[in-house]
Amino acid sequence: AQSVTQPDIHITVSEGASLELRCNYSYGATPYLFWYVQSPGQGLQLLLKYFSGDTLVQGIKGFEAEFKRSQSSFNLRKPSVHWSDAAEYFCAASTGTASKLTFGTGTRLQVTL
Amino acid sequence: GAGVSQTPSNKVTEKGKYVELRCDPISGHTALYWYRQSLGQGPEFLIYFQGTGAADDSGLPNDRFFAVRPEGSVSTLKIQRTERGDSAMYLCASSLNGGGNEQFFGPGTRLTVL
Repeated sequence: AQSVTQPDIHITVSEGASLELRCNYSYGATPYLFWYVQSPGQGLQLLLKYFSGDTLVQGIKGFEAEFKRSQSSFNLRKPSVHWSDAAEYFCAASTGTASKLTFGTGTRLQVTL
Repeated sequence: GAGVSQTPSNKVTEKGKYVELRCDPISGHTALYWYRQSLGQGPEFLIYFQGTGAADDSGLPNDRFFAVRPEGSVSTLKIQRTERGDSAMYLCASSLNGGGNEQFFGPGTRLTVL
């Protein structure tokens, strides 16, 4: 079955520190890959997406993600975290033609000052 | 322009009652999706509309759940004989024309079944 796994339920980082959130997928072929952020009371917002081509993808708010086919991973990174980045982060995948997104269980990011 | 809107933002009902949740997609978006998000989980797909028709309803958990989109714009998710296990955040998203296009999410409707 197609699935997306986010191994870390909760991560705490200091403001200004670097961040990496892990995501692994299990699909028959390389899916389309997405990272969304969900803040309390807000809808899910797309940070970035990977369809094909360059494996390092730049997104909004200074985030980037790297697709690694050999590891079936699509990890999200940010060089310097801001307190406003505290939120829930979801990795998702789709097969494009099927359209529906399959989400991971999310990683809650806490930022300490 | 306006984003995806959902009404009501909160709905509290009693076990066994019928509820309707409404989604207004972004104007011009032909694809519309419903997801359900339980506490501490990621959203789970329910149903996908392309225009007026349900292109994929494989995520609907049982026949108590039904959704319509009669004019290809607004959609209503209908839940009959609600159960406590239906309590969750129901999210709606729309995209330009499906496929791999970005899905824009609404703020959700939090359903609580007592």
